[in-house]
Amino acid sequence: RKEVEQDPGPFNVPEGATVAFNCTYSNSASQSFFWYRQDCRKEPKLLMSVYSSGNEDGRFTAQLNRASQYISLLIRDSKLSDSATYLCVVNRAGNNRKLIWGLGTSLAVNP
Amino acid sequence: NAGVMQNPRHLVRRRGQEARLRCSPMKGHSHVYWYRQLPEEGLKFMVYLQKENIIDESGMPKERFSAEFPKEGPSILRIQQVVRGDSAAYFCASSPGGGPTDTQYFGPGTRLTVL
Repeated sequence: RKEVEQDPGPFNVPEGATVAFNCTYSNSASQSFFWYRQDCRKEPKLLMSVYSSGNEDGRFTAQLNRASQYISLLIRDSKLSDSATYLCVVNRAGNNRKLIWGLGTSLAVNP
Repeated sequence: NAGVMQNPRHLVRRRGQEARLRCSPMKGHSHVYWYRQLPEEGLKFMVYLQKENIIDESGMPKERFSAEFPKEGPSILRIQQVVRGDSAAYFCASSPGGGPTDTQYFGPGTRLTVL
């Protein structure tokens, strides 16, 4: 079992749609959680950190469920520019500097 | 404030040659991380360095790969005697500190192709 698992997609949605991505992680002692986005052949860029209480940044909402070891990302009113691969990232417990990456979920927002 | 810089952006090598990848962290950042992304795979941690020290190299292949971050100059990832399986995108990231909430900022990557 991979340490961080995501549905690879692709998700094809029309502009304005709401889309949700899920991610599960296997190490219950993991402490830090992030969503990054990666455009084709570009570097990953931090989208948002994920906090236990859940957090929102504009059209993006992230949730963490420690009991189920589950992280989610919700994108509302999706834009064409949201088309990218969304990467779920978890720190490895005991070594906060080593990030473990999911394979990513591909999103295509269509006009 | 320039971001993380990597060069070259593209590197072509023949089997058996050496590849040297350079990374200049963001100004004020003293923590550097190297990741490798193979085609159709996720990013894999390779090594974490601070100035003049290797902190964690648990993701580095045992042979042919080495990394350094000297007191002056960029961090270098060196791959000796490259093989086709080394073809990948190599990303460098930097952060101001090494804590769990310190954001890692990524450079544009070096795409290595081994012929």
